[in-house]
Amino acid sequence: GEDVEQSLFLSVREGDSSVINCTYTDSSSTYLYWYKQEPGAGLQLLTYIFSNMDMKQDQRLTVLLNKKDKHLSLRIADTQTGDSAIYFCAEANDYKLSFGAGTTVTVRA
Amino acid sequence: SAVISQKPSRDICQRGTSLTIQCQVDSQVTMMFWYRQQPGQSLTLIATANQGSEATYESGFVIDKFPISRPNLTFSTLTVSNMSPEDSSIYLCSVKIRVSRELFFGEGSRLTVL
Repeated sequence: GEDVEQSLFLSVREGDSSVINCTYTDSSSTYLYWYKQEPGAGLQLLTYIFSNMDMKQDQRLTVLLNKKDKHLSLRIADTQTGDSAIYFCAEANDYKLSFGAGTTVTVRA
Repeated sequence: SAVISQKPSRDICQRGTSLTIQCQVDSQVTMMFWYRQQPGQSLTLIATANQGSEATYESGFVIDKFPISRPNLTFSTLTVSNMSPEDSSIYLCSVKIRVSRELFFGEGSRLTVL
């Protein structure tokens, strides 16, 4: 999605926190989503945030939203080897999703 | 949550043929969508599947190439017509279930066109 941008790669040590950043352009987006895709698999919904919220926490996941700057981040605490995957952020308009290119997260021992 | 079944999970097809992909959901669904993920790339929305009426296509996608049906709330099909190698992709259906903001995806149908 040309309207949603993410960094392409992130390498993190096991046990550290991962932070994946995303910027979007559509100010009318109502919800923003994070998905995880493991090799050969479909998309797993991790979490979503309403565009009027600043933060949402769900177990090891924390989403921060700066609506003024149109910046979204996903923090994964205590990153594990099973967190190695591609992470997509997406903005929604009428529940139609525009995706970023995906961030490949590699967890090293 | 929702259980989304897509069939086939993968297929290898010859150039010029057509393939129909099915998406079945076990929950009350309000909206259904079809996406394409080309090799090594992100996902692009093809169309919104509308129950009992023609699908709504995004720019760059047309009904003749990607006819879509949705005869009831929980079932939809996407056909990839007159295939060429450029159609080799993963095709995924996505649903919004009633009383939820969550958007779930099926496992995808991986299509290879020779």
